[in-house]
Amino acid sequence: DQQVKQNSPSLSVQEGRISILNCDYTNSMFDYFLWYKKYPAEGPTFLISISSIKDKNEDGRFTVFLNKSAKHLSLHIVPSQPGDSAVYFCAASSPDMRFGAGTRLTVKP
Amino acid sequence: NAGVTQTPKFRVLKTGQSMTLLCAQDMNHEYMYWYRQDPGMGLRLIHYSVGEGTTAKGEVPDGYNVSRLKKQNFLLGLESAAPSQTSVYFCASSKIQGGGYTFGSGTRLTVV
Repeated sequence: DQQVKQNSPSLSVQEGRISILNCDYTNSMFDYFLWYKKYPAEGPTFLISISSIKDKNEDGRFTVFLNKSAKHLSLHIVPSQPGDSAVYFCAASSPDMRFGAGTRLTVKP
Repeated sequence: NAGVTQTPKFRVLKTGQSMTLLCAQDMNHEYMYWYRQDPGMGLRLIHYSVGEGTTAKGEVPDGYNVSRLKKQNFLLGLESAAPSQTSVYFCASSKIQGGGYTFGSGTRLTVV
């Protein structure tokens, strides 16, 4: 029973353009949402989060949007850089944390 | 600043063998977690601990045991390894439950 779903296994964008990574969830009890970034042979690192009482949180080039009625969140990266190439995991907490399967982002120079 | 350290980084086991994975954190975090990562499945919680001397089951606890005798250490044990336990194992810790986790670099385990 996957409560957090990332339906796109991969995404490729050109350097300088916007990257949009999507995530859907099914459990309405989730109250905190996070994005993690993972490079090969390393553990995931925390990137950005949002509380369920907000609909947007911004940190530099990274913005997370939350649409509670649609049970959907997204991560926007603007502008995308080659160093952003990694696997991105969406996670939701209630407070037990559930992770999506990840989206592999490739940013082409 | 070590953060979360996992040992070993790689291990190959034969079916039926046992082993213990060690996780150590130096951030004085109360909460610690063991996850496994499998292709297409994301990270799934095996067991977690909300403080020294406590443990609790996660989503996929069968075949694993854990102990948290000291606040900084969280051990994951496999009593009788099975090929289905071939995976990458990640330990994580957090200051608060549900907040941002700090992950270790992972242990790649192969059971043949």
